[in-house]
Amino acid sequence: GIQVEQSPPDLILQEGANSTLRCNFSDSVNNLQWFHQNPWGQLINLFYIPSGTKQNGRLSATTVATERYSLLYISSSQTTDSGVYFCAVDQGAQKLVFGQGTRLTINP
Amino acid sequence: NAGVTQTPKFQVLKTGQSMTLQCAQDMNHEYMSWYRQDPGMGLRLIHYSVGAGITDQGEVPNGYNVSRSTTEDFPLRLLSAAPSQTSVYFCASSSGFVRSYNEQFFGPGTRLTVL
Repeated sequence: GIQVEQSPPDLILQEGANSTLRCNFSDSVNNLQWFHQNPWGQLINLFYIPSGTKQNGRLSATTVATERYSLLYISSSQTTDSGVYFCAVDQGAQKLVFGQGTRLTINP
Repeated sequence: NAGVTQTPKFQVLKTGQSMTLQCAQDMNHEYMSWYRQDPGMGLRLIHYSVGAGITDQGEVPNGYNVSRSTTEDFPLRLLSAAPSQTSVYFCASSSGFVRSYNEQFFGPGTRLTVL
């Protein structure tokens, strides 16, 4: 099956810093989503982005489907950005395969 | 819209007990699924349904049963709980096989502990 790898596994930053999270996948996909899992465990949809670039406030994402990777950019980090960021892909039939996540810690 | 709701939020079972995790959505979504999340890991697909009356297995289906009698509800049944089923369970839904847009939405999760 398809493999999804996220890097880095852990990232510790000071408030105000910028960060880039990467998601590599081993085969072509129909769907790619980025989620933020907050400290209470809730999964929050960030982007639905099978290709192209999207922006939402301080967050943006780019997926280069032909090269099988996606990037999530977080600018001017805030402590509320802390949590685990997951990339998930599916090849059809909407069966999402998740990466292992990037744990982001933003210190004040 | 309430979105995807799950009950209970927390549950403790003894080995061998059975229980049903409830999931409901009010978005008229055709597709629903169940995932489990173990510590330090991403989510893994247990079972999914593409519409009422249709279910299929995901990556880790053993020990779980599902049925889909209505569009809104998709319960997950543990027949005989085992400690290996201690996990956080998430239910998700999406609008179905619309290739142009099939974003999935997740419920708040059920934290299950099996002693």
